[in-house]
Amino acid sequence: GAGVSQSPSNKVTEKGKDVELRCDPISGHTALYWYRQSLGQGLEFLIYFQGNSAPDKSGLPSDRFSAERTGGSVSTLTIQRTQQEDSAVYLCASSLVGTYQETQYFGPGTRLLVL
Amino acid sequence: QKEVEQNSGPLSVPEGAIASLNCTYSDRVSQSFFWYRQYSGKSPELIMSIYSNGDKEDGRFTAQLNKASQYVSLLIRDSQPSDSATYLCAVTGGSYIPTFGRGTSLIVHP
Repeated sequence: GAGVSQSPSNKVTEKGKDVELRCDPISGHTALYWYRQSLGQGLEFLIYFQGNSAPDKSGLPSDRFSAERTGGSVSTLTIQRTQQEDSAVYLCASSLVGTYQETQYFGPGTRLLVL
Repeated sequence: QKEVEQNSGPLSVPEGAIASLNCTYSDRVSQSFFWYRQYSGKSPELIMSIYSNGDKEDGRFTAQLNKASQYVSLLIRDSQPSDSATYLCAVTGGSYIPTFGRGTSLIVHP
């Protein structure tokens, strides 16, 4: 595709519900990253995929958070039993192969509000 | 713990002036340095990347890197109101995961 896409663009949910956030990276990009950005804060790294495997899950804040990637393309970030502190913008980025010199291309983000 | 520090600002400059944005990092093995621009409510977009000591110029933007001092900066010449945004510094070292600073808010007033 032309760029990284994410859905939904906005999500309002009630505390305790599960949510799924979707990321569709640029076609051909093997590296995929999830970040979280709270209001006025920097980007908090969550998880990195190389192909379908996740060599680095160190940023996932709790076991309520999980992510998968299938077919080396689309990724889903799942938050179970959402809490109000999960409210943030969830950003997905992709890069060609994931080397340290590569530019990351960001999607528009999913704005999650937990009531 | 890898850290990337930026002054949160806001940095306010008049239109036409030079805006100077600074970033320091803690990991000495850092190899790649990026400046992203983020407009309010939008996602980050890359402005500049720099990998070796010295200056790198691209139009009105100049990135400066000093690895000995663990310091990277972004200069914006002839600042325009459309440059008003938050500028994020990102650093990548031994791993492929960049560490982002919290960003500096830049306001260019007419």
